[in-house]
Amino acid sequence: EAGVTQFPSHSVIEKGQTVTLRCDPISGHDNLYWYRRVMGKEIKFLLHFVKESKQDESGMPNNRFLAERTGGTYSTLKVQPAELEDSGVYFCASARVMNTEAFFGQGTRLTVV
Amino acid sequence: GQNIDQPTEMTATEGAIVQINCTYQTSGFNGLFWYQQHAGEAPTFLSYNVLDGLEEKGRFSSFLSRSKGYSYLLLKELQMKDSASYLCAVRDSTNAGKSTFGDGTTLTVKP
Repeated sequence: EAGVTQFPSHSVIEKGQTVTLRCDPISGHDNLYWYRRVMGKEIKFLLHFVKESKQDESGMPNNRFLAERTGGTYSTLKVQPAELEDSGVYFCASARVMNTEAFFGQGTRLTVV
Repeated sequence: GQNIDQPTEMTATEGAIVQINCTYQTSGFNGLFWYQQHAGEAPTFLSYNVLDGLEEKGRFSSFLSRSKGYSYLLLKELQMKDSASYLCAVRDSTNAGKSTFGDGTTLTVKP
């Protein structure tokens, strides 16, 4: 069974540009989560999808971040326009049911210069 | 809110035993996870405690005391491959995916 996969693994963009991160959850996992870890800080929750619906987006930092999960399969996280403080590692995780542990992808390292 | 504390770094010798502590103050508690993360890789699930006591799984054990807001991860017979970051995460609701993470403890195992 394939794990959670994220693309790209690394991205370097200039301030003001747009970047789209993609996450493919484990097949059959309705729950999909986005997290991020900025330099020197802890992993922080961004949002949670159940299938295609946003269940909880309380962790999204501001309206420059847009997450979608059309069709309830893969998800994208777009940052537009990117700022320097957006640099960090963005993790995606998925779970079959909400009250079990989530399986993480390897993350996308985003560097905004 | 949530506050989770764990040591930043630890060093231990191959073959030894090491204990990584985690203390938490949370508005709700519905279990505690430990994850292992090697550099550049995904965090991988190690253990989950929701009741007080010790859970043993091979070389790894995890302990929880809810009254003290305290957990530890015990690693026995350390191997070089155990060098990694160990993340403590508290689940404050029924939504396990929305866990709050500590900063992680970087463990270095030396020969």
